[in-house]
Amino acid sequence: SQKIEQNSEALNIQEGKTATLTCNYTNYSPAYLQWYRQDPGRGPVFLLLIRENEKEKRKERLKVTFDTTLKQSLFHITASQPADSATYLCALDMESQGGKLIFGQGTELSVKP
Amino acid sequence: ETGVTQSPTHLIKTRGQQVTLRCSSQSGHNTVSWYQQALGQGPQFIFQYYREEENGRGNFPPRFSGLQFPNYSSELNVNALELDDSALYLCASSSRGPRETQYFGPGTRLLVL
Repeated sequence: SQKIEQNSEALNIQEGKTATLTCNYTNYSPAYLQWYRQDPGRGPVFLLLIRENEKEKRKERLKVTFDTTLKQSLFHITASQPADSATYLCALDMESQGGKLIFGQGTELSVKP
Repeated sequence: ETGVTQSPTHLIKTRGQQVTLRCSSQSGHNTVSWYQQALGQGPQFIFQYYREEENGRGNFPPRFSGLQFPNYSSELNVNALELDDSALYLCASSSRGPRETQYFGPGTRLLVL
């Protein structure tokens, strides 16, 4: 079955630096890959979606790449701010599964002033 | 503001009891998905409803059941509660077909004693 691995260790960076989070998956590539942000005690909030035929997607300070050869997505936050501190989840949308999302375990990001 | 609401926010039950969780989807959304999120883990797909019909199910036993109503609100029912059912239960709604971006509610925190 499909497995997703995100950095299990929390990521601590200094304000202003670029945060890079990794999402690796096994088996076949999804039709879509999505990134969400989750704050403690809250539901996930959608950030970006990238399709299997897209290499890169940007939105303001966020950038997502999708490499189907490496079976990997990278999520970048440039000029990071303390307000970016949260858990970031990657989710695969396997078209063959009827649109259910398969989530990774999330990576906790902490941005220090 | 996502517009997806869930009730109750917190719930305490004992083993063997039954529970019903409720979700009101965002206006205009016809698809609702339910996820279970254990502490420190990513959400796990339970099932999805599209226009009142079940449209995909994850690896959860039949004691997890659901409903979607004509106004697209939804219920998740869990019978014969077990200790491992303690988790955050998330509802997500989306518009048009099942593979559109999902908008999550704040979740219901269930504790089974």
